[in-house]
Amino acid sequence: GQQLNQSPQSMFIQEGEDVSMNCTSSSIFNTWLWYKQDPGEGPVLLIALYKAGELTSNGRLTAQFGITRKDSFLNISASIPSDVGIYFCAGRSFNKFYFGSGTKLNVKP
Amino acid sequence: GAGVSQSPRYKVAKRGQDVALRCDPISGHVSLFWYQQALGQGPEFLTYFQNEAQLDKSGLPSDRFFAERPEGSVSTLKIQRTQQEDSAVYLCASSLEGQGVVQPQHFGDGTRLSIL
Repeated sequence: GQQLNQSPQSMFIQEGEDVSMNCTSSSIFNTWLWYKQDPGEGPVLLIALYKAGELTSNGRLTAQFGITRKDSFLNISASIPSDVGIYFCAGRSFNKFYFGSGTKLNVKP
Repeated sequence: GAGVSQSPRYKVAKRGQDVALRCDPISGHVSLFWYQQALGQGPEFLTYFQNEAQLDKSGLPSDRFFAERPEGSVSTLKIQRTQQEDSAVYLCASSLEGQGVVQPQHFGDGTRLSIL
């Protein structure tokens, strides 16, 4: 099946720092999404991207849909303790969504 | 309710038993997806419904896995003769999407299945 390579696997940062994570694929997707998952809960949608080159913000979060349609990145600015969690990218191909293996974010107060 | 509801939240079964997991999607959502999430991994697609029609079941790991959505709303994922490797969190997601319309998915909190 399709594989998404998500990096980094984990990050330890200080509160207030900016964070960047990305996702790459060998296949083209027509939609990219970024989710956050807290322990014991389902993933919650952060940002959805529908067009190649699209740059979208949601508060302190900014994500871009790569021009080649094979990659996406998520930036979090001025991190706060509640940003702790696992972030997943997902790419859509027809009716299927493929998820990366996640980036675990730890924020030190 | 406001979100996708899954039950039970936790299920423990002995190897060889059958289990049934339920998903109540957001009212009016056309599309429904089931995913399997192993520990430390991202969700993996199992199957997809549009209303009552199961349009894609290519992700179901074996013929022991069966999903249905008879009235186009509530869905049940059934696993027969469970095995230890079936232990995982099973996530359900729904979206407004019908044909040709792209909408993001909304996830439930999952059922954590443990097979002893």
